[in-house]
Amino acid sequence: TQLLEQSPQFLSIQEGENLTVYCNSSSVFSSLQWYRQEPGEGPVLLVTVVTGGEVKKLKRLTFQFGDARKDSSLHITAAQPGDTGLYLCAGNTGGFKTIFGAGTRLFVKA
Amino acid sequence: GAVVSQHPSWVICKSGTSVKIECRSLDFQATTMFWYRQFPKQSLMLMATSNEGSKATYEQGVEKDKFLINHASLTLSTLTVTSAHPEDSSFYICSARDPSPPEQYFGPGTRLTVT
Repeated sequence: TQLLEQSPQFLSIQEGENLTVYCNSSSVFSSLQWYRQEPGEGPVLLVTVVTGGEVKKLKRLTFQFGDARKDSSLHITAAQPGDTGLYLCAGNTGGFKTIFGAGTRLFVKA
Repeated sequence: GAVVSQHPSWVICKSGTSVKIECRSLDFQATTMFWYRQFPKQSLMLMATSNEGSKATYEQGVEKDKFLINHASLTLSTLTVTSAHPEDSSFYICSARDPSPPEQYFGPGTRLTVT
């Protein structure tokens, strides 16, 4: 069974702090996506990484794909209350099915 | 990014009735669409994979006779919850796969409440 372990599951921090969310697997992914979901809405795609060692930046968000393409991280700098939400990583092994992590629920306090 | 719409956004129905939820890819053709169910404060649970022109592939534990999926065109998939019961109340989300690059785009979700 392919698993994508995401940690931490829950994170509550003060505005201005930094944080990192991790996704790890024993499987090799051809691509990996990060999504953000707000209550009552569908997940919104933030980024796709496809190359081992790849780093992508989206404003205060930095995404990294592991060299072996088995893991990824999302780092948020100077978190803001607007960053509050559920962050999901999702890995694609090349087939039609995508494997989702359990999600990280982030709460940023003003 | 690509846009996926879902209709209705919320629905309340009586126990025993059937409800149809539509999922459309608005600006790309999706040969594959996915249906998920999400419980409060939990991640997405894949229910089935819908392929255009063929039968859907259901995940283990998902009743195919209860959750009917039809993918009649490259831009539309429907999920029908038949003989709905209160335990079917949930947030249902569809996604469509854009083949190039291989990314999934999600609809806004449908909140189903069965009374």
